[in-house]
Amino acid sequence: AQSVTQLGSHVSVSEGALVLLRCNYSSSVPPYLFWYVQYPNQGLQLLLKYTTGATLVKGINGFEAEFKKSETSFHLTKPSAHMSDAAEYFCAVSDLSGNQFYFGTGTSLTVIP
Amino acid sequence: NAGVTQTPKFQVLKTGQSMTLQCAQDMNHNSMYWYRQDPGMGLRLIYYSASEGTTDKGEVPNGYNVSRLNKREFSLRLESAAPSQTSVYFCASSAIGRVYEQYFGPGTRLTVT
Repeated sequence: AQSVTQLGSHVSVSEGALVLLRCNYSSSVPPYLFWYVQYPNQGLQLLLKYTTGATLVKGINGFEAEFKKSETSFHLTKPSAHMSDAAEYFCAVSDLSGNQFYFGTGTSLTVIP
Repeated sequence: NAGVTQTPKFQVLKTGQSMTLQCAQDMNHNSMYWYRQDPGMGLRLIYYSASEGTTDKGEVPNGYNVSRLNKREFSLRLESAAPSQTSVYFCASSAIGRVYEQYFGPGTRLTVT
């Protein structure tokens, strides 16, 4: 079975600072990888995804993530944090059918003015 | 275009009671999913339906049943609710060929006392 580990359940950054949210996965085959964002009392929204091809993927709201197979990682970054980025972020991996998703436990991002 | 809708938004049940959570999507998606979200555990897949007329178990199916009523609707039933089923339930859908892009509903917050 696949699994996803998100290091740090809570991350705080200052407005304008770099955002780095860590995600590592375990999979016997190269999986599909995703980052989702959840704002309070809402469902999840897809930020970005890696399926095949370029390992650096860009998503919405200025976020990007890099797939590093050798490190089994898919860390999420944003050069400059904005107050509106405060939310819960989930890393996820799916099997190749796309039907079974495995989510990490989430990282709550706080942006300090 | 409402996307994915869920009813009810909130529900309180007593142990042993039954209820059905409703989910509908208006995006003509083939695949639909039910997840539960618990603090510190991320989202876990309960059941999914890859197409109308088919359903499959996910990671945590025990205590639940599902019905794919038609292409639009996918319901989740708790026959005899238990306190361990207190959670936030999310429905999601995705298009055929793009199963990795899941669209989530706003969630149902269920408390079992």
